Amino acid sequence: EAQVTQNPRYLITVTGKKLTVTCSQNMNHEYMSWYRQDPGLGLRQIYYSMNVEVTDKGDVPEGYKVSRKEKRNFPLILESPSPNQTSLYFCASSYGQGAGYTEAFFGQGTRLTVV
Amino acid sequence: EDKVVQSPLSLVVHEGDTVTLNCSYEVTNFRSLLWYKQEKKAPTFLFMLTSSGIEKKSGRLSSILDKKELFSILNITATQTGDSAVYLCAVRGGTSYGKLTFGQGTILTVHP
Repeated sequence: EAQVTQNPRYLITVTGKKLTVTCSQNMNHEYMSWYRQDPGLGLRQIYYSMNVEVTDKGDVPEGYKVSRKEKRNFPLILESPSPNQTSLYFCASSYGQGAGYTEAFFGQGTRLTVV
Repeated sequence: EDKVVQSPLSLVVHEGDTVTLNCSYEVTNFRSLLWYKQEKKAPTFLFMLTSSGIEKKSGRLSSILDKKELFSILNITATQTGDSAVYLCAVRGGTSYGKLTFGQGTILTVHP
């Protein structure tokens, strides 16, 4: 089954404790991205990756890191989480330039609470 | 700065009504506009529009894009309670078309 898988689905952590949210897709998509969703603000793009080893900042990259060492994985790293990073996070993937940038497929979301 | 604005922010209707959701945008290097439905979980894809004036249809839902006036509409006819959701508009653009900018969403509530 074609899917985007995020882990964990729920996470409560303390301020300053490094964490990683994993994202994996099995559709051989070139393009992957991370979003956070907050009430009243919609989805905001954190980082995106056009292909392996190619990443770029979205609209709200501060406090986050990403890497794209393999095509299928795009982890989101919070080196020193703070309470203002409490949010619902989504990973998404799609075909890239070669296939005309198809629609983005979303993972099921990770609800992160930083206390 | 890229911007996508949806209106109305919320809408309450009764089953059988027809609704029109609006999405206007200002985005650098426009590539495509996408509509998603979100029901307390991950957004699910509805339509992708790239050309002006060509209507996309799927059952009771349809959408059209006006690239000259920089907006799109999503129509839902004969609404059902199962249409209750947040409808999201997103625009792909930016250098190499990497950026996907979302609007705030329209909360649609359909009463029986």
